[in-house]
Amino acid sequence: TQLLEQSPQFLSIQEGENLTVYCNSSSVFSSLQWYRQEPGEGPVLLVTVVTGGEVKKLKRLTFQFGDARKDSSLHITAAQPGDTGLYLCALLDYKLSFGAGTTVTVRA
Amino acid sequence: KAGVTQTPRYLIKTRGQQVTLSCSPISGHRSVSWYQQTPGQGLQFLFEYFSETQRNKGNFPGRFSGRQFSNSRSEMNVSTLELGDSALYLCASSLTGLGANVLTFGAGSRLTVL
Repeated sequence: TQLLEQSPQFLSIQEGENLTVYCNSSSVFSSLQWYRQEPGEGPVLLVTVVTGGEVKKLKRLTFQFGDARKDSSLHITAAQPGDTGLYLCALLDYKLSFGAGTTVTVRA
Repeated sequence: KAGVTQTPRYLIKTRGQQVTLSCSPISGHRSVSWYQQTPGQGLQFLFEYFSETQRNKGNFPGRFSGRQFSNSRSEMNVSTLELGDSALYLCASSLTGLGANVLTFGAGSRLTVL
């Protein structure tokens, strides 16, 4: 069973600061998705990364897929309170296998 | 277009009871998957239905069951509730499932078992 490890577990920063969260696997994965879940809501898909070394940008969010396809990172520039939420990475095949997530709190 | 609708949003049951949760997928989506989210175990896959047939099942006991109707709406049932069944139950719909790269989640049904 392929497991995803996310770090850190919790992250609290001030508005305007940058942050990075990580997602690592013990083996190579074919594609990885990142989700954000806000309190009281279901996860919302942010991005799917497929190719080793791939970098995708979504406004202030930058997603990287490691060259060896065993790790990924999400970087947020100039974080805003609206970025607060649980960030989840997930492997996609016939189901989604999620990491435990990183809870991000951005203080105004 | 309307998103994924789950009902009820909140419910409280006691041990030994059973519960039925409902999920209405996005119009045109034929695949519905169910997930359980708890603080300790995170998000775990329960099962997936496509065209009224269960295609995949996660590692949950037989007390957890589901079905899908001809209009793609799905229900899941948990019988003989245990305290550990307290969780947020999420459903997700997609056009085809099976590795479809866009799943849309509902807001979930929060079950508390006392």
